[in-house]
Amino acid sequence: EILLTQSPATVSSSPGQGATLSCGASQSISASYVAWYQQKPGLAPRLVIYDTSSRATGIPDRFSGSGSGTDFTLTISRLEPEDFAVYYCQYYGTSSITFGQGTRLDIK
Amino acid sequence: QVQLAQSGAEVKKPGSSVKVSCKTSEGIFSSSTITWVRQAPGQGLQWMGGIIPVVGTTNYAQKFQGAVTISADRSTNTAYLEVNSLRSEDTAIYYCARTSIKPGAPFDLWGQGTMVTVSS
Repeated sequence: EILLTQSPATVSSSPGQGATLSCGASQSISASYVAWYQQKPGLAPRLVIYDTSSRATGIPDRFSGSGSGTDFTLTISRLEPEDFAVYYCQYYGTSSITFGQGTRLDIK
Repeated sequence: QVQLAQSGAEVKKPGSSVKVSCKTSEGIFSSSTITWVRQAPGQGLQWMGGIIPVVGTTNYAQKFQGAVTISADRSTNTAYLEVNSLRSEDTAIYYCARTSIKPGAPFDLWGQGTMVTVSS
């Protein structure tokens, strides 16, 4: 089973600044199967990035994803107030699906 | 409009069962895998399993194999998650989500979630 470890647990930044969230896999995985989700309090998760670097429908270009092998990154530039939320990475392989434990993006 | 509409909150006794529903359109139902994700209070997301409604094929995460049953009713475009022998640790929000019929696709549409509370 693929395990995903997100770091840091909490990251603080300010509107207008940027933030970088990391997701490490327990073994090398295909970049075709990595996604990021945003979850705000009381709401369902929302797909932000899929296939490591493709933005989902309606996601602004300040969100970008990158990575390969065991290390994947979500970068948010020019933070807007609505970006502060919890972010989860996900591996959606053909035979197993796992989520990271989440990173909370807080307003500094 | 709500594309995956889940049933309302439930309060159940330990040892009982709960069946959560997820209703969608015929277009989504016939072209998707409907999958279920659990989120315990203050915790992260756990994939439980899924079903391809048009063929009835199910796939379960090892942790939930035997503890839950996923099914679908093609006449009402509704998928179901039944959790048996409920324990307090099953208190959680249960989400349905849509993904491709083809394995290896992200969850691009989510239901609003159903809160299940297990308490004596």
